[in-house]
Amino acid sequence: GAVVSQHPSWVICKSGTSVKIECRSLDFQATTMFWYRQFPKQSLMLMATSNEGSKATYEQGVEKDKFLINHASLTLSTLTVTSAHPEDSSFYICSAPGQSSYNEQFFGPGTRLTVL
Amino acid sequence: AQTVTQSQPEMSVQEAETVTLSCTYDTSESDYYLFWYKQPPSRQMILVIRQEAYKQQNATENRFSVNFQKAAKSFSLKISDSQLGDAAMYFCAYRSAWDTDKLIFGTGTRLQVFP
Repeated sequence: GAVVSQHPSWVICKSGTSVKIECRSLDFQATTMFWYRQFPKQSLMLMATSNEGSKATYEQGVEKDKFLINHASLTLSTLTVTSAHPEDSSFYICSAPGQSSYNEQFFGPGTRLTVL
Repeated sequence: AQTVTQSQPEMSVQEAETVTLSCTYDTSESDYYLFWYKQPPSRQMILVIRQEAYKQQNATENRFSVNFQKAAKSFSLKISDSQLGDAAMYFCAYRSAWDTDKLIFGTGTRLQVFP
């Protein structure tokens, strides 16, 4: 099946710094990718839809300037958490739709962000 | 707007037994897709099973099957012959057939499997 990778898998940073997370579709192209945030023991919360070649679409309540998304190619989307603060600590997951009629999402393994 | 509800925060089952996880959803659309995803402790989301709304036949994937009741807007997951490796969070998800590929997730059910 389709494989989605994320890098890094785990990152610790100081408050006020920016962190970039990469999401790659390894064996298929994705014009759209999705970014989720998951707090412990909670469900996945969709943050934004990443669109190749155009601006991302953010969900209500998600700060565009805080979470910068760039979809530079058909296989790569990046999420940059700018001026990170401890409350941004979370598990971030990306996904990309497959090629079947179901367009089921294939998920990356996630990135654990800890902001000190 | 569509919503997905999983009313069982936690469930447990004995190894080799059968367990059913509940999911209901609300939508005004007639065509859509439903999914069950598994999230083990590694936190990698894994697709378990999928169902197209216009297909009346319930989907089956080995030990996993669904009971899809469109009129009742219910989409339960049955796990037969439960195994220790089935222990995980299970999320029910909805996707419109006409909108983007965006998934709407339920709150999840934590399944414990006892030997």
